[in-house]
Amino acid sequence: DSGVTQTPKHLITATGQRVTLRCSPRSGDLSVYWYQQSLDQGLQFLIQYYNGEERAKGNILERFSAQQFPDLHSELNLSSLELGDSALYFCASSANSGVGQPQHFGDGTRLSIL
Amino acid sequence: EDQVTQSPEALRLQEGESSSLNCSYTVSGLRGLFWYRQDPGKGPEFLFTLYSAGEEKEKERLKATLTKKESFLHITAPKPEDSATYLCAVRGTSGTYKYIFGTGTRLKVLA
Repeated sequence: DSGVTQTPKHLITATGQRVTLRCSPRSGDLSVYWYQQSLDQGLQFLIQYYNGEERAKGNILERFSAQQFPDLHSELNLSSLELGDSALYFCASSANSGVGQPQHFGDGTRLSIL
Repeated sequence: EDQVTQSPEALRLQEGESSSLNCSYTVSGLRGLFWYRQDPGKGPEFLFTLYSAGEEKEKERLKATLTKKESFLHITAPKPEDSATYLCAVRGTSGTYKYIFGTGTRLKVLA
């Protein structure tokens, strides 16, 4: 058990809809990272937050947004969903944003767009 | 641009047959190279961090090594429970906080 909790585990919705994925980091970790993993691609970095502030952005679509709350949990919001958004979405946390820090991953949310 | 390439994409071994997985990287100033194990339907599980060329780390049947251009994950006398996808990631000093992941090596160990 990594200590990172993601909810829900599975989400099925339709095109055009909006969903929110939730992540609780390991106790004491200040950094949260979001990734997308598709069958034909590796882990694609989306965005990182550190202690409530956005720290880095990857290939995150404008339809996607995230935030980290004062209690350090994070939410990833996906809107105007398309079939291609079907994927596993992982959250990871690390102690701080310092280089060399390993990330600890949750078990992901599987998003299926019908 | 930072890049990570893993080979082979897939590997089948007999139980006890040792082998190595490769992770080649291009990064502007390596600040850390990470190995993870991922089981189907699960998140990646952290294995090792390597920081500088010549460094080695071991855990049970796994040993990770690092040179200036690549890292190897050596698996000695593997067991079926070692079957998983092994991911390599790097973090550089390019001014961002991104971790770049490879696409992984899918390992299957046959009993």
